[in-house]
Amino acid sequence: AQRVTQPEKLLSVFKGAPVELKCNYSYSGSPELFWYVQYSRQRLQLLLRHISRESIKGFTADLNKGETSFHLKKPFAQEEDSAMYYCALGGGFKTIFGAGTRLFVKA
Amino acid sequence: DAMVIQNPRYQVTQFGKPVTLSCSQTLNHNVMYWYQQKSSQAPKLLFHYYDKDFNNEADTPDNFQSRRPNTSFCFLDIRSPGLGDAAMYLCATGYSGGTSYEQYFGPGTRLTVT
Repeated sequence: AQRVTQPEKLLSVFKGAPVELKCNYSYSGSPELFWYVQYSRQRLQLLLRHISRESIKGFTADLNKGETSFHLKKPFAQEEDSAMYYCALGGGFKTIFGAGTRLFVKA
Repeated sequence: DAMVIQNPRYQVTQFGKPVTLSCSQTLNHNVMYWYQQKSSQAPKLLFHYYDKDFNNEADTPDNFQSRRPNTSFCFLDIRSPGLGDAAMYLCATGYSGGTSYEQYFGPGTRLTVT
């Protein structure tokens, strides 16, 4: 069964600290993984996708097929990173979202 | 700017009174989605259109229907809203001819059922 697991509902870190939001997936095939972010009072928007291997706003995510993980990382968290983060698994036209992790960056 | 627009942003309806939520897009994407998102939960896919082909999720209640009269517009009809249908409803679009299946979301319509 296709599934996305984000084990942490809430992650609180201090400004300047490294942050890692965990995501594990279950998918029989070649997965397409995304991270979406929702800032307060804003729409859900794509942060990054694994096929691009890009860094957006200092965030990176590496697909580890052996561990079936796609953790989101940033070396130095900023207050403006506080938001809800969803890991998502794309298969065909459908996307399965994880339950989300709320990141709170404290000053 | 190309975007996904949802109207209204807030909708209040009475228990059992039909309600329609609308979504429009200027992205010219061929796939449109409707999600239901309840508080502190992940968005849950209700159905999607690939062009004019309607695809219903197996666990979407019959109470929920959708129409897509053209590429730009898609509607969500809730025939007899119950208290449990109070949620944020998200519309999203996608392009099947692209290199990935990323989705573009509207701001959502928050539905309250009284």
